Amino acid sequence: GQNIDQPTEMTATEGAIVQINCTYQTSGFNGLFWYQQHAGEAPTFLSYNVLDGLEEKGRFSSFLSRSKGYSYLLLKELQMKDSASYLCAPMDSNYQLIWGAGTKLIIKP
Amino acid sequence: GAVVSQHPSWVICKSGTSVKIECRSLDFQATTMFWYRQFPKQSLMLMATSNEGSKATYEQGVEKDKFLINHASLTLSTLTVTSAHPEDSSFYICSVTSGRLGTGELFFGEGSRLTVL
Repeated sequence: GQNIDQPTEMTATEGAIVQINCTYQTSGFNGLFWYQQHAGEAPTFLSYNVLDGLEEKGRFSSFLSRSKGYSYLLLKELQMKDSASYLCAPMDSNYQLIWGAGTKLIIKP
Repeated sequence: GAVVSQHPSWVICKSGTSVKIECRSLDFQATTMFWYRQFPKQSLMLMATSNEGSKATYEQGVEKDKFLINHASLTLSTLTVTSAHPEDSSFYICSVTSGRLGTGELFFGEGSRLTVL
């Protein structure tokens, strides 16, 4: 079956760095997306990885290891507005996104 | 600016009534739109794929007669929840993809929160 595993909740301090891990099992693989979702709002796109390695985009970076079925999202210089849920979503062989429940990130001053 | 516009953002209705939610692609023509449902603290669940000019493709367990999808133009798809009941109360979100299938990111509408009394 298809499965996504990421921590339910994480807490970090403003200005710090946090890494949100995601392991996945899918039927085929066509890349992995990370989305940010603030409470009560729709998700917004953060990153897309299809090849192994690290993709950096400002304060956010995303890493992928296809052989390990593993990805992480790295957030640097945390700001209070980064408090949100972060959704890891791999795409299977049918180009369908598989959604996990997400990781709720709480930022403390 | 917004790429996808969804309306209404909030709707409260009585049990047994029907509710229509609109999803508009503002920046490009979208032959395919996706409809999701999300219950509190749960993951997004794909309900159906809306294809312009043809019937929608529904996911297993989603009643096509209850959730009517119409994709009449390249910029508009509508989801109608027919004879809504309290268990249909949820956050409904549409999305479009900008590029070739599998290579483009998804752009989401603002979402529509439905409460059925």
